[in-house]
Amino acid sequence: GDSVTQMEGPVTLSEEAFLTINCTYTATGYPSLFWYVQYPGEGLQLLLKATKADDKGSNKGFEATYRKETTSFHLEKGSVQVSDSAVYFCALNSGGGTSYGKLTFGQGTILTVHP
Amino acid sequence: SQTIHQWPATLVQPVGSPLSLECTVEGTSNPNLYWYRQAAGRGLQLLFYSVGIGQISSEVPQNLSASRPQDRQFILSSKKLLLSDSGFYLCAWRGGGAAKNIQYFGAGTRLSVL
Repeated sequence: GDSVTQMEGPVTLSEEAFLTINCTYTATGYPSLFWYVQYPGEGLQLLLKATKADDKGSNKGFEATYRKETTSFHLEKGSVQVSDSAVYFCALNSGGGTSYGKLTFGQGTILTVHP
Repeated sequence: SQTIHQWPATLVQPVGSPLSLECTVEGTSNPNLYWYRQAAGRGLQLLFYSVGIGQISSEVPQNLSASRPQDRQFILSSKKLLLSDSGFYLCAWRGGGAAKNIQYFGAGTRLSVL
């Protein structure tokens, strides 16, 4: 079945440091890939997405490129801020002919950014 | 624009008590609706989804049930809560058209069963 593996956290960085959160996946067909962010005490918000190989999703300074050859969708940001502290989830939607659009999530990576 | 509401935000219930969590969506019609649970320190697990009124599919056998009495209303229930039901419950809806692969989440309900 489908699965998503994220790098284990927590990740602790200083402000303005470079961020990478690794994400690899296993899926049938050609999945769409997502990064969601969960700020403390809140629900999940879509951060960025990519729907086909070599697509680059970007938002709020974050980027991730859909790499089919390595089945990866790593999240990067060049300079993190304290306000980026949150839990980040990688997810996929394999479609697979179903109509209900099930999302498969990774376990989440806690990011803490210090001033 | 579309919005999704969940309530209550926080709930503390004794073991063996009933549960009812409600989720409503505004600004769209006939959405796909989902209930997820996030246990402490773990990822999200899909519990139920619904593609229409009265249509419920369960992903994981458990102590919970779901119902969809109206097009934009999705309810998560239990007759008798277990300690293991504690967690953060999230409702989501799926967009259509170009956004059909994107799910939008509510703010969640944090449930503590004591």
